[in-house]
Amino acid sequence: QVQLQESGPGLVKPSQTLSLTCTVSGGSISSGSYYWSWIRQPAGKGLEWIGRIYPSGSTNYNPSLKSRVTISVDTSKNQFSLKVSSVTAADTAVYYCARGGVFPEDWYFDLWGRGTPVSVSS
Amino acid sequence: DIQMTQSPSTLSASVGDRVTITCRASQSVSTWLAWYQLKPGKAPKLLIYKASTLESGVPSRFSGSGSGTEFTLTISSLQPDDFATYYCQKHNGFPLFGQGTKVEIK
Repeated sequence: QVQLQESGPGLVKPSQTLSLTCTVSGGSISSGSYYWSWIRQPAGKGLEWIGRIYPSGSTNYNPSLKSRVTISVDTSKNQFSLKVSSVTAADTAVYYCARGGVFPEDWYFDLWGRGTPVSVSS
Repeated sequence: DIQMTQSPSTLSASVGDRVTITCRASQSVSTWLAWYQLKPGKAPKLLIYKASTLESGVPSRFSGSGSGTEFTLTISSLQPDDFATYYCQKHNGFPLFGQGTKVEIK
């Protein structure tokens, strides 16, 4: 079955760029009608949707993060990636990748990765 | 801006108990509401979408109800595997989550 796996550095220095990759296995990222999202959870806090990408490259972002976030896709590697620039301690969180629907009413997430913790510290 | 509020924040219960978690939206989301189960180190699990539709493979002891601004997730008979944190999420457009309800052992 389809599985998602996040990867990337667990420690990023303040003001630098956080970069994570989500690898999709057991199926093609381009098959089916799905958007691929990033979601994060700071310690002791709730879940925050960061943004999403369609295999064509079309993106949507959380307005509160839009100026610092870039999501890209590499269909040849069956991966999509997240970059968050100018990070601060507030970006310390567990980052999840997830699969969601295409239609506006279908923005729920039926498949998630296990998450990867990222700490922003000097 | 719309807000999603869950109650309680923490719930202490025993195996076999009936458990109810409430999610309130500050404005109507119709029935576009999902529920998730999160456990440390595990992939989050979708339980329910469209307020009451059970995701495939989810045990029938989980059920969801509600519409408009008030929703509930009910676990009919709590099992050891159900001790976790539960989140609601509106899924019409911009995804927005509640702050979570931790179900802990009494």
